[in-house]
Amino acid sequence: DTEVTQTPKHLVMGMTNKKSLKCEQHMGHRAMYWYKQKAKKPPELMFVYSYEKLSINESVPSRFSPECPNSSLLNLHLHALQPEDSALYLCASSQVGTNYGYTFGSGTRLTVV
Amino acid sequence: GQQLNQSPQSMFIQEGEDVSMNCTSSSIFNTWLWYKQDPGEGPVLLIALYKAGELTSNGRLTAQFGITRKDSFLNISASIPSDVGIYFCAGQRGLAGSARQLTFGSGTQLTVLP
Repeated sequence: DTEVTQTPKHLVMGMTNKKSLKCEQHMGHRAMYWYKQKAKKPPELMFVYSYEKLSINESVPSRFSPECPNSSLLNLHLHALQPEDSALYLCASSQVGTNYGYTFGSGTRLTVV
Repeated sequence: GQQLNQSPQSMFIQEGEDVSMNCTSSSIFNTWLWYKQDPGEGPVLLIALYKAGELTSNGRLTAQFGITRKDSFLNISASIPSDVGIYFCAGQRGLAGSARQLTFGSGTQLTVLP
């Protein structure tokens, strides 16, 4: 299995809703990442997990809450989002001990209404 | 956050033509990566470069890691319609633990005309 799987592919949520994005990989990668991407812009790093521990939070608002329950799963919990949070949310993973590039998932297209 | 200087920003070319794009940085990277992204999808790794001066090919794609470790270029030969998309360069550095940090270029939007 050489994929990073993200669900759901599309999500529409209201500003008072609570939802979660899910990311899964079975490549044995011990670093996992959340990125946010606006249209025609490069991905922007949000969070980095290394060996299931949060190692980087790029000053992301607390309405985004990451969770890494085990080495294969990464979640992003969403609460009280704003319309400007609408974007493509990408999960990625990378292999320990090598310089190989990240493997990205296909993303969750989030629309906040 | 920090971005690499990627050019050109967009390109319109005829099918069959060759394409070249490049990235420059004020910082040194130990790995350069080139990704392609189709609409609504995540970036897909095309080529990874690990050593200064390295020239690597992947089918019609050729990329080089600059000698100074501060730049890289990507060439696409004999373009075809499915080459359409956004191409991102990325410089990679190691982080504490197992993670690595990517710094992305601003992207090159490629359009291939029939």
